[in-house]
Amino acid sequence: DADVTQTPRNRITKTGKRIMLECSQTKGHDRMYWYRQDPGLGLRLIYYSFDVKDINKGEISDGYSVSRQAQAKFSLSLESAIPNQTALYFCATSDLSGGEKNEQFFGPGTRLTVL
Amino acid sequence: GEDVEQSLFLSVREGDSSVINCTYTDSSSTYLYWYKQEPGAGLQLLTYIFSNMDMKQDQRLTVLLNKKDKHLSLRIADTQTGDSAIYFCAEGDDKIIFGKGTRLHILP
Repeated sequence: DADVTQTPRNRITKTGKRIMLECSQTKGHDRMYWYRQDPGLGLRLIYYSFDVKDINKGEISDGYSVSRQAQAKFSLSLESAIPNQTALYFCATSDLSGGEKNEQFFGPGTRLTVL
Repeated sequence: GEDVEQSLFLSVREGDSSVINCTYTDSSSTYLYWYKQEPGAGLQLLTYIFSNMDMKQDQRLTVLLNKKDKHLSLRIADTQTGDSAIYFCAEGDDKIIFGKGTRLHILP
């Protein structure tokens, strides 16, 4: 079974709709992240969480919100989707401790299209 | 703020060496990373280098780090069709900053 899973894998929605993307992990990691990937723009950080009670804005948080329901679950919401939120969304986890490298483990991605 | 720059495309003939270059701005990062993204998949860590090192070799991969110039490179020897992917340079400690990715295309 995959260590980091994302649902749905693909979603087409209309402008103004509320959308939730879900991420679950079985790696036991405290740190979770949401990124979006756009052609030519690479990966940009939306939100991140270092533990269940910790939520931080990333580079491009406007128009998004998150919820860390448990250590294993981190969901991303688009309250009112707009077409420029069409992108590939990735969840990632890491377990940084005491000077070790911050290796990120990525889910398979959710392709979101907003019409 | 922190920034990571890399060229977007590279074409290499099968069997030749590929060299992907990257420049970064945050000199305080403890580690620098190369991630690989294959079609339809998420990113996976390919290799990394501790900031106090200037070279790391791992089978066909060689990472070179020039801290003075804030320049990182990834060399793939004997490039194969399976190396066709997008390669991301990344730096950072708590938060990782990724470059835009270099798409490596292998010519027959």
